[in-house]
Formats: sequence, C-alpha cells, structure tokens
Amino acid sequence: DAGVIQSPRHEVTEMGQEVTLRCKPISGHDYLFWYRQTMMRGLELLIYFNNNVPIDDSGMPEDRFSAKMPNASFSTLKIQPSEPRDSAVYFCASSLASGGNEQFFGPGTRLTVL
Amino acid sequence: DQQVKQNSPSLSVQEGRISILNCDYTNSMFDYFLWYKKYPAEGPTFLISISSIKDKNEDGRFTVFLNKSAKHLSLHIVPSQPGDSAVYFCAAYNQGGKLIFGQGTELSVKP
Repeated sequence: DAGVIQSPRHEVTEMGQEVTLRCKPISGHDYLFWYRQTMMRGLELLIYFNNNVPIDDSGMPEDRFSAKMPNASFSTLKIQPSEPRDSAVYFCASSLASGGNEQFFGPGTRLTVL
Repeated sequence: DQQVKQNSPSLSVQEGRISILNCDYTNSMFDYFLWYKKYPAEGPTFLISISSIKDKNEDGRFTVFLNKSAKHLSLHIVPSQPGDSAVYFCAAYNQGGKLIFGQGTELSVKP
C-alpha cells in the first residue's frame, strides 16, 4: 500500500487566495483526520471523518476553513481566503477505527501564505 | 490547556546509551497512549503504544512505561542509534476518540 497520499507537498500563495489541500487515505480505512502543525500550537486536530461523514470539526479555527470527503478515497481541506497566520504544515491521517488505534499519517503539505 | 506535556524540547544522547523521553498528562480518563516518531519533511510514524491496563510494553529496542498514579509515561530506547535521531511525540486518546499530542521532544543521538 502506498500509504496516505497528500498533495501538494508545498504550497506558496498570497494572502486572500484560496488554497485547497488534498488527501487520499489508505484503502479500507474508515477514519480520516486533518491536523495542523505550528510552532506555537504543536500538532492539533482540525476535523475528522468517519465513513465520509464529518464527525467533529471543533478544531477548525474559523469559517475560512472547510473540509469535505466526497468519497472514501479522497478528502480536501480548503482555506478561503487564506491569511499569513495559516502558514503551517497540514497533515492528513487515516485509521481503521477511532480510539485506541494507530493513525497513519501522510507526508504533510507545507503551506506558506505571504 | 496542554493535556499532554513533553517538558523537554530536546535531548542529546551518545550512541549505544539509553534514551529516555518523558511525557505527562493531566486527564486521568485517558486510557490509551501512543508514541510517534517524526523525521524532517515526513509525517509522524507510529512507534509503540500502551493501554492503561498495562504498565509496560516492549518492542525490540523500544519500551514504554506507564505510571497511572503519576499520570506519566516514558519511552526508553536502548541501545540508541544515530538513526533514532528524530522528534518524538507522545499522544493520548481522549474520551471523544481524539488523539491529543504533546509538543514533541527532539532526540539527537551522537556517534
């Protein structure tokens, strides 16, 4: 298995632009997670899905952030409009189940908003 | 509110010696803990886990110890190797099924 795939690996954009991050989870995994890593806040959960349905989006910082999972093999995290403080590494992870199960992480997308 | 804390941002150890990484948590309801290892420009990878019904779990050179009364866990790596140099994250599942991460400890193993 190729593992969790994320694209792009790096994204540089200007403030106000829309940014879309993409994730393909491991086949057969029912749970998909989006995390953000920053120096100040560390690794924090933004949102997670179970069987393509958003379960908990309490970590999404603002309405500028949205996430979708149209099918079991694809998810997007969108920021519109982007701001410099959104600059971070965004990770996608997937797992067979929640609570007590290993999560498999993708390589991350490094986002820089100028 | 930092529910999972790794108070040492960095640790330097000589090759062949033991590395001990520490982690404290505040919520006594946490019942499953994991350690992840992260290399630069890569995502975290799972290393070892422990359930609250155990106080020790071992996998090769890696051993995790859990002290529930102290709300403390530690990861022991012995013997340490240069390839172990990475950032290590402690994490705990909360009651809602979310994984809460510590801030990480950067381990440097010197030849």
